[in-house]
Amino acid sequence: GNSVTQMEGPVTLSEEAFLTINCTYTATGYPSLFWYVQYPGEGLQLLLKATKADDKGSNKGFEATYRKETTSFHLEKGSVQVSDSAVYFCALTPMDSSYKLIFGSGTRLLVRP
Amino acid sequence: DVKVTQSSRYLVKRTGEKVFLECVQDMDHENMFWYRQDPGLGLRLIYFSYDVKMKEKGDIPEGYSVSREKKERFSLILESASTNQTSMYLCASTGRGDEKLFFGSGTQLSVL
Repeated sequence: GNSVTQMEGPVTLSEEAFLTINCTYTATGYPSLFWYVQYPGEGLQLLLKATKADDKGSNKGFEATYRKETTSFHLEKGSVQVSDSAVYFCALTPMDSSYKLIFGSGTRLLVRP
Repeated sequence: DVKVTQSSRYLVKRTGEKVFLECVQDMDHENMFWYRQDPGLGLRLIYFSYDVKMKEKGDIPEGYSVSREKKERFSLILESASTNQTSMYLCASTGRGDEKLFFGSGTQLSVL
């Protein structure tokens, strides 16, 4: 079946540190891949996405590259800010069901000043 | 600004009560979804609807039902609330053929 596995949190970093949040997936064919972010007290919002192998999604300084060979979509940011503190969810939509998102368990990021 | 609005931010109910969670979107989206969010489990799909009066079960539909009488409104119903339904409930919507979901800010339901 289809599934998404994320690294467990919380991840605690100092401001300006480099961030990596690992995400791997299981799916047939070529799913679309997403990162959603949930700030405290809010719903989820789309951060970035990639729809085919080797695509790089980017937004607000965050990047993730669709790696078919390692079935991964790791989230990275070169220099985190306190305002990046949130829960990050990796997700995919299967090829046969483009409107049905399958989420990972989420990774909480805490950035300290 | 596009919006998905959930009627309550916090809700406290007693075991056995019938509970209605309401969601309204103003984007004329065809697809609407109900998820529950639990620590360590991420988001799990309860039900979704791809058109008025149409619905499909998600991954965890047991104990829940839904209603979509109008395009903009999607209701989640707990016929007889139980303590294991204490959770954060998130509504989302998207247009036909669009992969980007828009989420409401959630309803934290506590069943005592």
